[in-house]
Amino acid sequence: DADVTQTPRNRITKTGKRIMLECSQTKGHDRMYWYRQDPGLGLRLIYYSFDVKDINKGEISDGYSVSRQAQAKFSLSLESAIPNQTALYFCATSDWGAGGRDNEQFFGPGTRLTVL
Amino acid sequence: LAKTTQPISMDSYEGQEVNITCSHNNIATNDYITWYQQFPSQGPRFIIQGYKTKVTNEVASLFIPADRKSSTLSLPRVSLSDTAVYYCLVGDSKDSSYKLIFGSGTRLLVRP
Repeated sequence: DADVTQTPRNRITKTGKRIMLECSQTKGHDRMYWYRQDPGLGLRLIYYSFDVKDINKGEISDGYSVSRQAQAKFSLSLESAIPNQTALYFCATSDWGAGGRDNEQFFGPGTRLTVL
Repeated sequence: LAKTTQPISMDSYEGQEVNITCSHNNIATNDYITWYQQFPSQGPRFIIQGYKTKVTNEVASLFIPADRKSSTLSLPRVSLSDTAVYYCLVGDSKDSSYKLIFGSGTRLLVRP
C-alpha cells in the first residue's frame, strides 16, 4: 500500500552493527506495528504502538527497540544485529473505532534485511 | 486469541472455485474471523471478515457454520494472480487491544 512506506527496501549489514528501519504512513492512523517474516512462515509481531505515547512489546521483541517519533513515523532498531535477524520486516498501520473495518491493518512493502 | 489450523498448501486451476477451510475450535464469543492474502515479497492484505453465516464481497465469500468452530474462504473462478498465501485469523477485532496473530497460512497455487 503506497500510503505506508518503508526505508530502506533492502539492506545488507554485518554482525554487531546497529541498524534502523524506518516506516512512514500518510493514512492518519494512530496504530503502527512492526513484524518480521522468516521464509515459509507467517508474520510475527515485534513491537506495536497504539499512539505516540504508547509502545508495547510483541511476541519477539528481544534484540529490537522502537521509536515513535510522530503519529506518522515508527522506527525499528536492531542494536547489535545478528545473523538470525535476517528476515523480511513489515510495518503496518491500523485505525480503530472510526467505523468500517475495525483494526484492518495496512502493510508497507517490506524491508529485506540480511545480517552477515 | 484462538489458534487456527489451515491446510499447508492447495493446488487449483484457473477458472475453478477454491475453498480454504480454517479450524478454530476455541473461538470465543466475541471473536471475528478475518482472512488476509499475501503475495510473494509483499505485505498481507485484508480480504474479508465475518462473525457468522455468510459474508460476501467483491473478491471472496466467507462461510461460517452455526457453531463457528470453522470457516471457509471461497474464491470464485480463480486466476493465476490469486496464487498467494492465505491467512485465517481469529480474534476480537472490535476490541481496542486487538492484535494480529499469524499462523503459517495456506499456500494456494493456481495453475493454467
